[in-house]
Amino acid sequence: DVKVTQSSRYLVKRTGEKVFLECVQDMDHENMFWYRQDPGLGLRLIYFSYDVKMKEKGDIPEGYSVSREKKERFSLILESASTNQTSMYLCASSLDGGETQYFGPGTRLLVL
Amino acid sequence: GQSLEQPSEVTAVEGAIVQINCTYQTSGFYGLSWYQQHDGGAPTFLSYNALDGLEETGRFSSFLSRSDSYGYLLLQELQMKDSASYFCAALRFQKLVFGTGTRLLVSP
Repeated sequence: DVKVTQSSRYLVKRTGEKVFLECVQDMDHENMFWYRQDPGLGLRLIYFSYDVKMKEKGDIPEGYSVSREKKERFSLILESASTNQTSMYLCASSLDGGETQYFGPGTRLLVL
Repeated sequence: GQSLEQPSEVTAVEGAIVQINCTYQTSGFYGLSWYQQHDGGAPTFLSYNALDGLEETGRFSSFLSRSDSYGYLLLQELQMKDSASYFCAALRFQKLVFGTGTRLLVSP
């Protein structure tokens, strides 16, 4: 079974803090993704990585950056957290095709 | 731009059949995936259609018509545990563009 883990289930941060969200997958998948999920808006892609040190912006990259130093780990960074970044953050991984993505349990982030 | 439209909510009773429709508008379209998400849980993959036609996996089937930019997920013999949100997602260039989701409520 593919396992995707995220570092925290719940996180509370203050405006202006730098926030790191970590994601690890154990199936040697090439592709990894970060989404945010908000009520009524579905899942929106923040960033995508198709290989180590390779990244591509998704639909809503503003205010975020990512790091992929090792194949199994993909980190999402909020350089200076803002209240409008309060959301559920979901990490996923997939093989080459991309149609089947395996999601982590999510991190619910609250920015005060 | 890219967009996928699906109904926000569908209700049905146990044992019934329900169809969740999805229309899409996206360039570079490769295929249509479907995901299920229970409250508080992570999305899980259900099915993928790359070609026109029906794909069946147990009680769930998914259909795609590329010419109509349309697909649907068909759930048969509904069970209470099928109450969840269902997302269609268009695959383009190894990435998925998700619809806003359909909340399915199954009642006894």
